[in-house]
Amino acid sequence: QKEVEQNSGPLSVPEGAIASLNCTYSDRGSQSFFWYRQYSGKSPELIMFIYSNGDKEDGRFTAQLNKASQYVSLLIRDSQPSDSATYLCAVSGGAGNMLTFGGGTRLMVKP
Amino acid sequence: SQTIHQWPATLVQPVGSPLSLECTVEGTSNPNLYWYRQAAGRGLQLLFYSVGIGQISSEVPQNLSASRPQDRQFILSSKKLLLSDSGFYLCAWSSNGYTFGSGTRLTVV
Repeated sequence: QKEVEQNSGPLSVPEGAIASLNCTYSDRGSQSFFWYRQYSGKSPELIMFIYSNGDKEDGRFTAQLNKASQYVSLLIRDSQPSDSATYLCAVSGGAGNMLTFGGGTRLMVKP
Repeated sequence: SQTIHQWPATLVQPVGSPLSLECTVEGTSNPNLYWYRQAAGRGLQLLFYSVGIGQISSEVPQNLSASRPQDRQFILSSKKLLLSDSGFYLCAWSSNGYTFGSGTRLTVV
């Protein structure tokens, strides 16, 4: 059974700091990796995806993928209180394949 | 552009009553569609998925059912709700990753 593991948190960081969110997955055949943000009471929204080993940057967000270690992370630079949310990691085997979600990490950014 | 609509936003239903939640997608054809449930403070639980009209796969045996009467319509139903059916129900369709609807918060009382 495919598993995606995340620390449930809460991860607390001060405003302006770098928040580092981590995710491990069990299926070595996984090819696509996604990060979702979910505010309390709202539906998840896609913030980043990554397919290749290495880093992918989008504004204050950087996704990092290490397939050999089966590890994907999300870095949020200059964290803001508005970044406080639950971050879900999701993994799929490729195009058309279903996503497997982790349980999410709750991030709290304190002013 | 593609959009996904889900309604109602909130619902309070008595135990034993029926349920019908609807999800529609615009701007795409033959999408893969999904129903998820999220209990309070918990992760996403896949309930059903569909790759085409009339094609439904169930991931979790329970008193819920799903139907796909049209290409871009996905319906979640129950004949008799249980207290344990309370939760946040999300419809999603797959493109590059999933796009979720706004969700329905169901409280069974």
